[in-house]
Amino acid sequence: DAMVIQNPRYQVTQFGKPVTLSCSQTLNHNVMYWYQQKSSQAPKLLFHYYDKDFNNEADTPDNFQSRRPNTSFCFLDIRSPGLGDAAMYLCATSREKAYEQYFGPGTRLTVT
Amino acid sequence: GDSVTQMEGPVTLSEEAFLTINCTYTATGYPSLFWYVQYPGEGLQLLLKATKADDKGSNKGFEATYRKETTSFHLEKGSVQVSDSAVYFCALLPNAGGTSYGKLTFGQGTILTVHP
Repeated sequence: DAMVIQNPRYQVTQFGKPVTLSCSQTLNHNVMYWYQQKSSQAPKLLFHYYDKDFNNEADTPDNFQSRRPNTSFCFLDIRSPGLGDAAMYLCATSREKAYEQYFGPGTRLTVT
Repeated sequence: GDSVTQMEGPVTLSEEAFLTINCTYTATGYPSLFWYVQYPGEGLQLLLKATKADDKGSNKGFEATYRKETTSFHLEKGSVQVSDSAVYFCALLPNAGGTSYGKLTFGQGTILTVHP
């Protein structure tokens, strides 16, 4: 089945230690998104790629970076995680910007 | 800017009860509307969608109708099951250009618990 895959599902990192989360898709969608979600709050958009065009949200901290080396993969890098960065990180894709988004299962990040 | 307002939660129901979760929105133009469901520890799953006024989205016994006149997209199910316990998010997606193009605006989420 075509899908959005996130690895790992659970990630534990130490305060200040860089960490990378990965997302891959078999849907061949043009757009890939990264969201941060805390508790049962609504997801908060961090940034998105339309093809290779990167779009950062104005309030996304500089500590968060992203890479999209090809259509299928997208990475979220947190350069120096703080305790406040502990959250669920969700990847989503859409065929085009005007179409529905499909989410992966998420990566639960714990910062110790 | 765009906004989505969901009814306050949490909602607690007995199995086989009727469910309504209210959702109203503010947006320019004619956005697409969605309901997403999130089970504990999981990502969001697209439950249903509607892309124009009077469209009815339906899936797994859930329904919602895009009401332009009342700017609403209320979620309903005639008979809930314990397995429906989850968080439900109403969301809109602008379908025209602008700074919010391609960005989902979510409601605050409604926690549903269904007891046997």
